[in-house]
Amino acid sequence: DVKVTQSSRYLVKRTGEKVFLECVQDMDHENMFWYRQDPGLGLRLIYFSYDVKMKEKGDIPEGYSVSREKKERFSLILESASTNQTSMYLCASGQGGLYEQYFGPGTRLTVT
Amino acid sequence: LAKTTQPISMDSYEGQEVNITCSHNNIATNDYITWYQQFPSQGPRFIIQGYKTKVTNEVASLFIPADRKSSTLSLPRVSLSDTAVYYCLVGGPSGGYQKVTFGTGTKLQVIP
Repeated sequence: DVKVTQSSRYLVKRTGEKVFLECVQDMDHENMFWYRQDPGLGLRLIYFSYDVKMKEKGDIPEGYSVSREKKERFSLILESASTNQTSMYLCASGQGGLYEQYFGPGTRLTVT
Repeated sequence: LAKTTQPISMDSYEGQEVNITCSHNNIATNDYITWYQQFPSQGPRFIIQGYKTKVTNEVASLFIPADRKSSTLSLPRVSLSDTAVYYCLVGGPSGGYQKVTFGTGTKLQVIP
C-alpha cells in the first residue's frame, strides 16, 4: 500500500512565524503536490514537483515556497505565516502522466 | 483547464443506486475524467478514471457520452459508509504530470 505521511495532524502557529510542513512518500513516485482545502473552495493546488529540486507553481503559490531535496520528501514553507493561511493542508504523490494521486491525512494549521 | 460543474449535494437512501453527473463543456481532446472520494478528516481517494464510453471497477462505474461534455459516476447500492464528498476532475498529461483542478465536489449523504 502506498503511504503518504505528513509531519503533523494539527499545528498552531503565531502570525509572522516561519512554518514547515513536511510530507514523505514511500512509493518512489516522481510527482508530489501540496494543496490547501477550505470550506466552499474545495482543494486548491499550491505547488507541485515532478522531480528532485524541480518545482512548479500551482494556482495559489503566493505566500508559500517548497523544497524537494530528496525524491521521497516534499516540504511546504510558509515564510511568514498569516491568519489567512489557516487551512487544511494536504500532500499527495503520484507517478507521471495520468496516474492517480495518493493523499496524506492532512495537516490542520491554525495561525493566530 | 476545463471547468467542471457538479451538484453541491445529494441525498440517497441506503441500497439505492446513486448517479452523480458532472458537466465539462470545455473538455480538451487529450483530457481524461477522474473521480475522487473524500471522507471527513481524510485526504481524497481515487475512485475511477476514463476517457470515453464506460469504465467499471469494483467500486463504481463511469459513463461518458460520445461528446464527452459530461460524465456520470454511478455507485451501485450505496451504504452509509459511502457518505462522502465526490470530486470530478478533468485534465490531461502535461509533461510528466496530470494537470487537474479539484472543484468543490458533491457532498453525498446516505440516509438509513
